[in-house]
Amino acid sequence: AQTVTQSQPEMSVQEAETVTLSCTYDTSESNYYLFWYKQPPSRQMILVIRQEAYKQQNATENRFSVNFQKAAKSFSLKISDSQLGDTAMYFCAFMNRDDKIIFGKGTRLHILP
Amino acid sequence: DTAVSQTPKYLVTQMGNDKSIKCEQNLGHDTMYWYKQDSKKFLKIMFSYNNKELIINETVPNRFSPKSPDKAHLNLHINSLELGDSAVYFCASSQDFVGQGTEAFFGQGTRLTVV
Repeated sequence: AQTVTQSQPEMSVQEAETVTLSCTYDTSESNYYLFWYKQPPSRQMILVIRQEAYKQQNATENRFSVNFQKAAKSFSLKISDSQLGDTAMYFCAFMNRDDKIIFGKGTRLHILP
Repeated sequence: DTAVSQTPKYLVTQMGNDKSIKCEQNLGHDTMYWYKQDSKKFLKIMFSYNNKELIINETVPNRFSPKSPDKAHLNLHINSLELGDSAVYFCASSQDFVGQGTEAFFGQGTRLTVV
């Protein structure tokens, strides 16, 4: 069975610092997709970044980047120059070729002024 | 202009009642989903619809039934509500379905409380 594990239930960092959120997953498939979603207090789910498993290059979106280690089945999210608006719940997600999406339990991130 | 909208945002109801949650997307997407977020923030897919056909049913109780009158709508009907149904329910949509890695757009969620 495919699983997604986020081992950090909650994290706090000072504004402007860099923070890394961990995510590991388990699958026997070779082609799949990984996502990080942000859920602010408004409860809207916002796609932050995505990675195709067949691409070795780590995805980057402005201040957000991932460290994708396929052999280790690790998909961590790095937020550089963190901002107060980054405060939210962050979900790591795995999607297989059948479009079945599995989410981790989330990491609550607090950016402190 | 909201891409995926759910109504109502909050729903409080008694055990045994039947209720519906509506979802509409204006993105022209082909696939829509319903997710349940439990008290531990775990998101589980319940249903997905592609071109008005049910594709995945994650063995949820048959008290839950998705209904799609057209491609832009996927409503969730729940019969004989139970206390354990209390959760936040998210609707989502995406353009492609099979292995496309496309991003999903989510609604704001509906917090259902069964008393």
